[in-house]
Amino acid sequence: QLQLQQSGPGLVKPSETLSLTCTVSGGSISSSAYYWGWIRQPPGKGLEWIGSIYFSGTTYYNPPLKSRVTISVDTSMNQFSLKVRSVTATDTAIYYCARGPADIFPPSHHWFDPWGQGTLVTVSS
Amino acid sequence: EIVLTQSPGTLSLSPGERATLSCRASQTVSSRYLAWYQQKPGQAPRLLIYGASSRATGIPDRFSGSGSGTDFTLTISRLEPEDFAVYYCQQYGSSPWTFGQGTKVEIK
Repeated sequence: QLQLQQSGPGLVKPSETLSLTCTVSGGSISSSAYYWGWIRQPPGKGLEWIGSIYFSGTTYYNPPLKSRVTISVDTSMNQFSLKVRSVTATDTAIYYCARGPADIFPPSHHWFDPWGQGTLVTVSS
Repeated sequence: EIVLTQSPGTLSLSPGERATLSCRASQTVSSRYLAWYQQKPGQAPRLLIYGASSRATGIPDRFSGSGSGTDFTLTISRLEPEDFAVYYCQQYGSSPWTFGQGTKVEIK
């Protein structure tokens, strides 16, 4: 059974870089059948897609965040990572990683299943 | 980007009743690329439906999805106690992928 385990700090100072990693177990991140994504949820609010990456390194980003976000993949470690630069209080949220399946190939049009456990990241000095 | 509007914001129902949740898109969602998720407090979202009407693995058949174009519906035929939660729709037909604001199904 595929599992996604998130790691990274829960507190980041304003103007610094938020960094999170998602480690995949029970399956290979190098599968051609999936994208891998990051989604965030401000406390008490709805979901916002941040971006997705393919094992080859191809990425899609949400335009409002694109200038500050980098998603990368490390196939040797079966991990993918998120970096958000120059954070402010509005970046405070629960961050989720998730697998992006699709019923087409390549799986560029994908939903999200399963999800990681979520990491609450607070931006505060 | 495609804006998804879910209605109602809150649905107050009793166990055993039927729940009908709506997700309306600002533009046509191509190829019925629409998913539904359930989220309970303190938990990550769980996939219920993809492709507008295909149930995810392990999802009970009381959950069903329908619709196309700009109008989509999630129906829970008979509410069980564990179904009271927040439900989100997501379109993945046109980047950026977007989510609706959610519908809360609460116990009446």
